[in-house]
Amino acid sequence: RKEVEQDPGPFNVPEGATVAFNCTYSNSASQSFFWYRQDCRKEPKLLMSVYSSGNEDGRFTAQLNRASQYISLLIRDSKLSDSATYLCVVITDSWGKLQFGAGTQVVVTP
Amino acid sequence: GAGVSQSPSNKVTEKGKDVELRCDPISGHTALYWYRQSLGQGLEFLIYFQGNSAPDKSGLPSDRFSAERTGGSVSTLTIQRTQQEDSAVYLCASRRPIGGPETQYFGPGTRLLVL
Repeated sequence: RKEVEQDPGPFNVPEGATVAFNCTYSNSASQSFFWYRQDCRKEPKLLMSVYSSGNEDGRFTAQLNRASQYISLLIRDSKLSDSATYLCVVITDSWGKLQFGAGTQVVVTP
Repeated sequence: GAGVSQSPSNKVTEKGKDVELRCDPISGHTALYWYRQSLGQGLEFLIYFQGNSAPDKSGLPSDRFSAERTGGSVSTLTIQRTQQEDSAVYLCASRRPIGGPETQYFGPGTRLLVL
């Protein structure tokens, strides 16, 4: 079983709509959680950290459920520029190495 | 530049040859990580440096892979006797010292193709 699992998608979303997807992690000792965004043939870039109380950054909302060991990302009022692969990332050890899910592809259509 | 840089951006090599990949982290970032992303696979951790030492090499797939870091800055990942399954994008990331912000900043990667 992979440490971090995501639905690969693609999620096809009309412009302006809302899309949400989850990620599950297997290690209950996981300490820190992030969503990264990766555009085609580009490096990953931090979208947002995920905090226990949930957090929002503009149109993006992240939630963490430690009891069920999942993280979610919700994108409101989707823009064409939101089309990308969204990577769920977990830190489990003290060295800070990132453990990545395989990514969820989001395609926003006009 | 202000970001992480990597060179070369692309490398095509023949099976059995050795390759060296270079990473220049952001100035002041003492923590440096190498990852690789194979086609159809997620990103996987290779090695972590704190300063010039590598306390975690657990992700290196075989003894053909090695890495070093000098002067607490530039790092080189070396793959000896390359195999076709080594074809991947090799990404380097750096961050401020452990205990500080956890955000890792990635370089643009080196695309390695082994023929």
